[in-house]
Amino acid sequence: AQSVTQLGSHVSVSEGALVLLRCNYSSSVPPYLFWYVQYPNQGLQLLLKYTTGATLVKGINGFEAEFKKSETSFHLTKPSAHMSDAAEYFCAVISYGNNRLAFGKGNQVVVIP
Amino acid sequence: DVKVTQSSRYLVKRTGEKVFLECVQDMDHENMFWYRQDPGLGLRLIYFSYDVKMKEKGDIPEGYSVSREKKERFSLILESASTNQTSMYLCATSIGTEDTGELFFGEGSRLTVL
Repeated sequence: AQSVTQLGSHVSVSEGALVLLRCNYSSSVPPYLFWYVQYPNQGLQLLLKYTTGATLVKGINGFEAEFKKSETSFHLTKPSAHMSDAAEYFCAVISYGNNRLAFGKGNQVVVIP
Repeated sequence: DVKVTQSSRYLVKRTGEKVFLECVQDMDHENMFWYRQDPGLGLRLIYFSYDVKMKEKGDIPEGYSVSREKKERFSLILESASTNQTSMYLCATSIGTEDTGELFFGEGSRLTVL
C-alpha cells in the first residue's frame, strides 16, 4: 500500500524567507512523486514531479524538491517566499503498476508581509 | 495544454435532489477520476474510469455513481443529495497506459446541499 504524510496543516512563512514543506511516503516499489499546488477557488496544478533520474527536481515558480530514498522523503523548498505563493500544497505518490495517486492531506501556506 | 472542464463551478441543491456533475476533457486521456476535497481531509477518491463504460470504486463511493458513455466525458451522480455531500468536487484525467500517473485537474465544482 502507498501513503503520504504531510505534517502541519497550516504553515506560516515570512515574505523572503525559506519555504519548506515536508513530505514522507510509503511505497513497496519505487515510486513516482508529485507536488501539486492549489490556488484559492481553483483546481490543482502540477508543481513538479520525480519519476526517474536526477533526484533534485526543479519545478515552476522557483520551487524544487529532492527525492531521498533512504529517508522516504520528497520535501519541497523555495529559497525566498513571495506573496503569490500563498496556496495549498499537496504531495502525492504513485507506485509503478498502481493506477491511482495517494495524496497527503495538504499544507495551507500563508505568507506574512 | 490539457483542458479539463467541469460544467458548473458552483451549485446549490436541496436535500433529496438528484445532482449531476459533468466533466469533459479534450486530450484523449484514457483515465478519468472524481475526487472530493474537504478541509483537513485532503483529496479522497470517489470513482475512477480507465475506459469507456468501465468504472471502479475509489475510497468513498457510497452515495455516488458515475457514467462514462464517451471517452471524453465522465459524470458524477448524486442520486439523492444529502447535506454531508456538501463539498468541493474535482475531476481529473491521466494519460493511461504506461503513464507516470500525473493528473490534470479541472477547476472544481463547489456543491452546497441545503
